[in-house]
Amino acid sequence: AQKVTQAQTEISVVEKEDVTLDCVYETRDTTYYLFWYKQPPSGELVFLIRRNSFDEQNEISGRYSWNFQKSTSSFNFTITASQVVDSAVYFCASFVSGSRLTFGEGTQLTVNP
Amino acid sequence: DAGVTQSPTHLIKTRGQQVTLRCSPKSGHDTVSWYQQALGQGPQFIFQYYEEEERQRGNFPDRFSGHQFPNYSSELNVNALLLGDSALYLCASSLVGVQGPLSEQFFGPGTRLTVL
Repeated sequence: AQKVTQAQTEISVVEKEDVTLDCVYETRDTTYYLFWYKQPPSGELVFLIRRNSFDEQNEISGRYSWNFQKSTSSFNFTITASQVVDSAVYFCASFVSGSRLTFGEGTQLTVNP
Repeated sequence: DAGVTQSPTHLIKTRGQQVTLRCSPKSGHDTVSWYQQALGQGPQFIFQYYEEEERQRGNFPDRFSGHQFPNYSSELNVNALLLGDSALYLCASSLVGVQGPLSEQFFGPGTRLTVL
């Protein structure tokens, strides 16, 4: 069975600070996919990134970056120079073929002006 | 290109009633998954439909049932509503292959169900 743990329930930062959201996953499969989604107050889940288990290369997209480390089963998400519009709930999720998308409990990020 | 659409946006029901939620997938997607998201929690997988059949199911009772139509749209039905069924119901569409997801799951805006 898959499990995703987001230990940080809530994080509050001041605008322009960098913030890292932690994600730890558990799976017995060698092939799996990891995702990050953003859920603003409107409720819709917005896809941010997908990585497969064979690609440990870190990725940067604008102010967003992701650090995938199989050795520690972590897939952390960093927002650089945070902005108020980044305030949302962020979910990490995992997927294994033949299974289903398993979400963590989410991290509520509040960026204060 | 329209994304995933869901209807209705909000719904209020009373205990014991039945409800039907609807979802239209993103163009080109053939698989629809339904999730229940209680307040303050992550989405929980209910079931997934592919080729008009239930492909997988999460830990939800038989009161939760679904259907997929030839045009890939889907319905979620919940019978004998309980107060605990109050939640945001999310639909996600994707293109899924044998080896894994060929596309990420795109989510709709959700239907907020309140059971009184």
